[in-house]
Amino acid sequence: ELKVEQNPLFLSMQEGKNYTIYCNYSTTSDRLYWYRQDPGKSLESLFVLLSNGAVKQEGRLMASLDTKARLSTLHITAAVHDLSATYFCAHSPGGAQKLVFGQGTRLTINP
Amino acid sequence: GAGVSQSPRYKVAKRGQDVALRCDPISGHVSLFWYQQALGQGPEFLTYFQNEAQLDKSGLPSDRFFAERPEGSVSTLKIQRTQQEDSAVYLCASSSQGLEMYFGPGTRLTVT
Repeated sequence: ELKVEQNPLFLSMQEGKNYTIYCNYSTTSDRLYWYRQDPGKSLESLFVLLSNGAVKQEGRLMASLDTKARLSTLHITAAVHDLSATYFCAHSPGGAQKLVFGQGTRLTINP
Repeated sequence: GAGVSQSPRYKVAKRGQDVALRCDPISGHVSLFWYQQALGQGPEFLTYFQNEAQLDKSGLPSDRFFAERPEGSVSTLKIQRTQQEDSAVYLCASSSQGLEMYFGPGTRLTVT
């Protein structure tokens, strides 16, 4: 069964703190994606990770990929309120074009 | 605009009605995908086109769901005899190189 599991599913944190969202997937994968979704909006692409050990950073967000552990992480540094959103990871299982998504992590950052 | 567009943005249908949802992908994008997103859940794959060919329809939940892309550009997702469990946001996405996937704003379908 193709599964993507994120944790935590809900995260409430204070501005200025650091935290990590974890994404485990069940099968070999060509690509790992991170998306952001604001309430009532569509998905905004954050990162595409292609290879083992890949690390990408944009502002306060950094994503990494460990294909051997089938694990990706999204690290948030010194969180600010406007990072509040739901974050999804997704992977493309073994050569497929489609994406399999996790359940999402709802992140709330409090002043 | 250069992004993926979808119409209508909101659709209310009575149970048993047929609906048609439209997706205009980014110009030149070969690949087109439909996903269904239930409230509070991640998107779930429905179907995939490469140009006009429907290469994967494994995610369509029943034979009431039908998608087409006759000229390899605009796509329509049709749901016949809608049921309450069809209520969801239907997202369309397109890509060119098969790497970066761009999502449209979605159509929120409510079946009453």
